Amino acid sequence: EVQLLESGGGLVQPGGSLRLSCAASGFIFSTYAMIWVRQAPGKGLEWVSSISASGSNTYFADSVKGRFTISRDNSKNTLYLHLNSLRAEDTAVYYCAKLVASATVYWGQGTLVTVSS
Amino acid sequence: QPVLTQSSSASASLGSSVKLTCTLSSGHSNYIIAWHQQQPGKAPRHLMRLEGSGSYNRGSGVPDRFSGSSSGADRYLTISNLQSEDEAAYYCEAWDSNTRVFGGGTKLTVL
Repeated sequence: EVQLLESGGGLVQPGGSLRLSCAASGFIFSTYAMIWVRQAPGKGLEWVSSISASGSNTYFADSVKGRFTISRDNSKNTLYLHLNSLRAEDTAVYYCAKLVASATVYWGQGTLVTVSS
Repeated sequence: QPVLTQSSSASASLGSSVKLTCTLSSGHSNYIIAWHQQQPGKAPRHLMRLEGSGSYNRGSGVPDRFSGSSSGADRYLTISNLQSEDEAAYYCEAWDSNTRVFGGGTKLTVL
């Protein structure tokens, strides 16, 4: 059974940093591309970032480009999202997800990031 | 990259059927999409992958009450025999090599 468990969310001040983790199990992690998607309170889903199976290719939404980085440790079956220069509008639940044939198929339960002073 | 347009809300009666629409922007009518369901307070759940031909693959455990179809730039999600647990937000998703995008979501109310 595929399981994705996010952690690392919390309250952070504007301009601060945070690292989110996503522990994966139930599949061969190193062979699948992964993504991060976020959802601001009361809003819809917004794609944040993608990373290839090997980690060599990464992509970002314009709203986070230059502030967020994505990485993975295939030896630890873990996906990361590094959030820097955080703004109030980055407040959201952040979901990690597994792609299958390019579609988002498996979702984690999410971790809440709140940016506030 | 494509833009996906969805109606903000829809409603239908318990036991009836409803058809939700996701429209791809001009020049992207051949794109494959995915449909996702998000019940209140829960994480999204993948429902199906839907091609421009109308061929679709339901996700693991998704009831056959959920079906997909396509016409031109429109992608449809039909839910038959509506149940109370189908009251949720439904999102479509499309992607290309470097980006992916979600529609704004349709909030479905089961009357």
